[in-house]
Amino acid sequence: SQTIHQWPATLVQPVGSPLSLECTVEGTSNPNLYWYRQAAGRGLQLLFYSVGIGQISSEVPQNLSASRPQDRQFILSSKKLLLSDSGFYLCAWSLNLGYEQYFGPGTRLTVT
Amino acid sequence: QKEVEQNSGPLSVPEGAIASLNCTYSDRGSQSFFWYRQYSGKSPELIMSIYSNGDKEDGRFTAQLNKASQYVSLLIRDSQPSDSATYLCAVSDSSNTGKLIFGQGTTLQVKP
Repeated sequence: SQTIHQWPATLVQPVGSPLSLECTVEGTSNPNLYWYRQAAGRGLQLLFYSVGIGQISSEVPQNLSASRPQDRQFILSSKKLLLSDSGFYLCAWSLNLGYEQYFGPGTRLTVT
Repeated sequence: QKEVEQNSGPLSVPEGAIASLNCTYSDRGSQSFFWYRQYSGKSPELIMSIYSNGDKEDGRFTAQLNKASQYVSLLIRDSQPSDSATYLCAVSDSSNTGKLIFGQGTTLQVKP
């Protein structure tokens, strides 16, 4: 069966510091991968998605970036965090475009 | 702007009652429809998928789809306090990017 991991689970970072969040999927090949952010009391905002290694589509212009160095690894980064970057970051995977997406446990980021 | 609309609630029902959650969407070309359950502080969990008009039942859950009215609903029979959560409706983007468009979610409270 497929499993999706995210780390770290929680993170507190000062404004202006860098960020690296990692997501790894096990038990499947060539998954579609997604990064979402959920601000407190808000809906899910799609940040990036990837249909293959090195293929990244950005949904929202901001100070975040994403990379997919391996088939089942998806990384979310920032060079300088803003207060507005605080939120619950969720990685998801799907086998087929437009079909079920399965979420990882998430990373709760607080920027102070 | 493609949208998915849900009443934020909270929807409060007594234990054992039927909870009815509703969702409307703007993208007439959407083909896939999903309901996710999200407990406070946790990541969304897929509970139902539906692709064709009509009803789909899975245990205590029934998803209903009406593409002509652009309407999706979720019925939870014999509601339990453990069903208390936020329920997210998601629909596929017809632009063939594989994206899902999420609603803001409806908070359900089941009172013992």
